Amino acid sequence: AQSVAQPEDQVNVAEGNPLTVKCTYSVSGNPYLFWYVQYPNRGLQFLLKYITGDNLVKGSYGFEAEFNKSQTSFHLKKPSALVSDSALYFCAVRDMGTSGTYKYIFGTGTRLKVLA
Amino acid sequence: GAGVSQTPSNKVTEKGKYVELRCDPISGHTALYWYRQSLGQGPEFLIYFQGTGAADDSGLPNDRFFAVRPEGSVSTLKIQRTERGDSAVYLCASSLNGPTSGAETQYFGPGTRLLVL
Repeated sequence: AQSVAQPEDQVNVAEGNPLTVKCTYSVSGNPYLFWYVQYPNRGLQFLLKYITGDNLVKGSYGFEAEFNKSQTSFHLKKPSALVSDSALYFCAVRDMGTSGTYKYIFGTGTRLKVLA
Repeated sequence: GAGVSQTPSNKVTEKGKYVELRCDPISGHTALYWYRQSLGQGPEFLIYFQGTGAADDSGLPNDRFFAVRPEGSVSTLKIQRTERGDSAVYLCASSLNGPTSGAETQYFGPGTRLLVL
């Protein structure tokens, strides 16, 4: 069965410092991996995705994520955090369809708080 | 251009009543998804449409939940005999092509907050 784990409910980081939001996954085949951000009273916004190729994926707003197959991880990173990055971040995984399903599985979310 | 829109933004109903939630996807998007997000949780997949047909409805929790997309654009999620446990934010998303075409990006609407009293 597919699953996603975001082990941290909340991450606090000082403005200007690098940030990491962790995500690990489990799928039966090769994964498609996604990061979304949710601001209060707004829908989820796409940040970036991993399909294949380079393990380092660059996305919106200066975010990037590193795919690590051996550790089954897809951690979200940013070199220098902004107060405006404070939001709820969701990791999601989808099987490539080899298991017969195209469901997206979302993690429980990590609240990022960037302190001025 | 216009994003995904959902109406109503909030819905309060009484236990046992019937509700309909509407989703207008981005124009031209062939795939449409419904999710349910409970407090403190991530979105939980309910159903996925490719065109007019439900390609995967394995996430619908029981037969009180039903969704349609008769013309391949607007979709309606229908909940019969609502229960207090149905209270959640219902999210709709659309993508240009369906998941069989690859790792397509989903674009989410703002959601409908359903409260069953």
